[in-house]
Amino acid sequence: DTAVSQTPKYLVTQMGNDKSIKCEQNLGHDTMYWYKQDSKKFLKIMFSYNNKELIINETVPNRFSPKSPDKAHLNLHINSLELGDSAVYFCASSQGSSGVYNEQFFGPGTRLTVL
Amino acid sequence: GQSLEQPSEVTAVEGAIVQINCTYQTSGFYGLSWYQQHDGGAPTFLSYNALDGLEETGRFSSFLSRSDSYGYLLLQELQMKDSASYFCAVRTGSARQLTFGSGTQLTVLP
Repeated sequence: DTAVSQTPKYLVTQMGNDKSIKCEQNLGHDTMYWYKQDSKKFLKIMFSYNNKELIINETVPNRFSPKSPDKAHLNLHINSLELGDSAVYFCASSQGSSGVYNEQFFGPGTRLTVL
Repeated sequence: GQSLEQPSEVTAVEGAIVQINCTYQTSGFYGLSWYQQHDGGAPTFLSYNALDGLEETGRFSSFLSRSDSYGYLLLQELQMKDSASYFCAVRTGSARQLTFGSGTQLTVLP
């Protein structure tokens, strides 16, 4: 069974378009995250939700808007896509934001290419 | 803010031992994690140190010295499948989020 899943796996789109990436976890975790990994493999957190409440909102353009309909889902909507948005976006989840281990389980990633 | 430093590349041969160092500057430190990522794959958790000392998990061990703001990942009996990127990450902040280093590309040669 897939623990953290994301759709789509690949996304190719034109500048200016709006797109969404979906994430679901079946681990029963209460905290979910979005990360962006650039072409140099630098992995940076964007957002985190705990029990559907936004707890981390790093310096990310307003064009990015996360939505958590329930604690098993965290979607990412991106408006007016720009070339610099091209990256791999990873969703992750963990049991609590302050657990002893805070092991994060990552989804397979969504490779976004903006043309 | 947080900053982490780790070597960009390390090369070793099968069967060898390799150590990947990580130094960090941060406030509100809770612990140091290590993640492995194969090309085209997702990061996967390897270890976590909240206290000083060595944690061992099979062929992998991780060490932390909070007073030196330093940690390392030790990989023993290297195998070809260990070729991957290895990231150290610090847990900080009120939400104890992870801030990742830039990663170390490990290449294991036959």
